[in-house]
Amino acid sequence: QKEVEQDPGPLSVPEGAIVSLNCTYSNSAFQYFMWYRQYSRKGPELLMYTYSSGNKEDGRFTAQVDKSSKYISLFIRDSQPSDSATYLCAMNIPNTGNQFYFGTGTSLTVIP
Amino acid sequence: EAGVAQSPRYKIIEKRQSVAFWCNPISGHATLYWYQQILGQGPKLLIQFQNNGVVDDSQLPKDRFSAERLKGVDSTLKIQPAKLEDSAVYLCASSSVGDNEQFFGPGTRLTVL
Repeated sequence: QKEVEQDPGPLSVPEGAIVSLNCTYSNSAFQYFMWYRQYSRKGPELLMYTYSSGNKEDGRFTAQVDKSSKYISLFIRDSQPSDSATYLCAMNIPNTGNQFYFGTGTSLTVIP
Repeated sequence: EAGVAQSPRYKIIEKRQSVAFWCNPISGHATLYWYQQILGQGPKLLIQFQNNGVVDDSQLPKDRFSAERLKGVDSTLKIQPAKLEDSAVYLCASSSVGDNEQFFGPGTRLTVL
């Protein structure tokens, strides 16, 4: 079993839709949870990160962490064509050298 | 603030040849990472440096891959000899010590024929 599981998609939605991206994980020691966005032929860029359980909102993006279910989500409201990218979840264990464990990424296309 | 620089951006070689990639992290970032990202997969950590010391190289195929960061700044990753399955994007990232945000470079896309 992989440490982090993520549905690879691809996911295609119309402009303005609400998008839900999800990851599950197996290691209960993970404490930091991150979402990266990766445009084609570019390196990943950090979108949001949260510590432990709860919600965090930044503009049109909301990250949720449910540690009891080992499940994290990223919601995108009012999706735009510029949101078309691959979204990677990542997580790590504090004080262990900062190694990140990445999901496989979900490819999202927002159709104008 | 300048980002993480990598070169070359693209490289095509034949199997059994050798290849080297270069990374210049963000100024002041002590921690440097090399990742391998195979098409359709998430990045996989190959090696992590803090300054010029290796923190984690448990997933580095040491029979063919090597990496160094001699002066604690720039780093090179070498593959010798390359195999077909080494075709991937090689990403370099850097961070401040203890910071959870890693900044990625644009990557080097390697194709092994």
